[in-house]
Amino acid sequence: GAVVSQHPSWVICKSGTSVKIECRSLDFQATTMFWYRQFPKQSLMLMATSNEGSKATYEQGVEKDKFLINHASLTLSTLTVTSAHPEDSSFYICSAWDLEPYEQYFGPGTRLTVT
Amino acid sequence: QQQVKQSPQSLIVQKGGIPIINCAYENTAFDYFPWYQQFPGKGPALLIAIRPDVSEKKEGRFTISFNKSAKQFSLHIMDSQPGDSATYFCAAAGATGTASKLTFGTGTRLQVTL
Repeated sequence: GAVVSQHPSWVICKSGTSVKIECRSLDFQATTMFWYRQFPKQSLMLMATSNEGSKATYEQGVEKDKFLINHASLTLSTLTVTSAHPEDSSFYICSAWDLEPYEQYFGPGTRLTVT
Repeated sequence: QQQVKQSPQSLIVQKGGIPIINCAYENTAFDYFPWYQQFPGKGPALLIAIRPDVSEKKEGRFTISFNKSAKQFSLHIMDSQPGDSATYFCAAAGATGTASKLTFGTGTRLQVTL
């Protein structure tokens, strides 16, 4: 199947700093990518839909000024957690649709720890 | 109406057994139903997916059964192995052919014992 990569796989940062996470579709173009957050032993929570060349669409309750999303090309979307706090510590996962065939693939995830 | 209800929450089977995980949905606009497998610390991996025009799909040891009238679908794992121990998520999406959002079930933690 298609491959979606994320970088970094884990990151530790200090409270108040910003962290950028990259999501790439390696062998297909993705006009739309999704960003999820997952807490331990819970399901995936959709944070936002990232659209190439336009503004991201955020789910209700997600602070768009805190979680900045940029989708500058057909293979790259970035999520920047600004002014991170310990409560932002979580597992962040991106996904992308490969429309031919019609399947959605997930990245390996990024573990963020804010100290 | 956007929910996908998944059961059971957890499941323990012996090696060689056939665990069955069930999902139900309400939104009749859903027309794409994938199953994902997730190991701890990893992203979900697509296992198998089905569309409403078929009632069953098999890929290796994994089978999806789909009941359109009941709005239910299930995952069967044949000859389960300890390596199948993971969390399984069902999901649903509408508007086939477009990059629509997936609605996920709450997950089932499967443990396959020796």
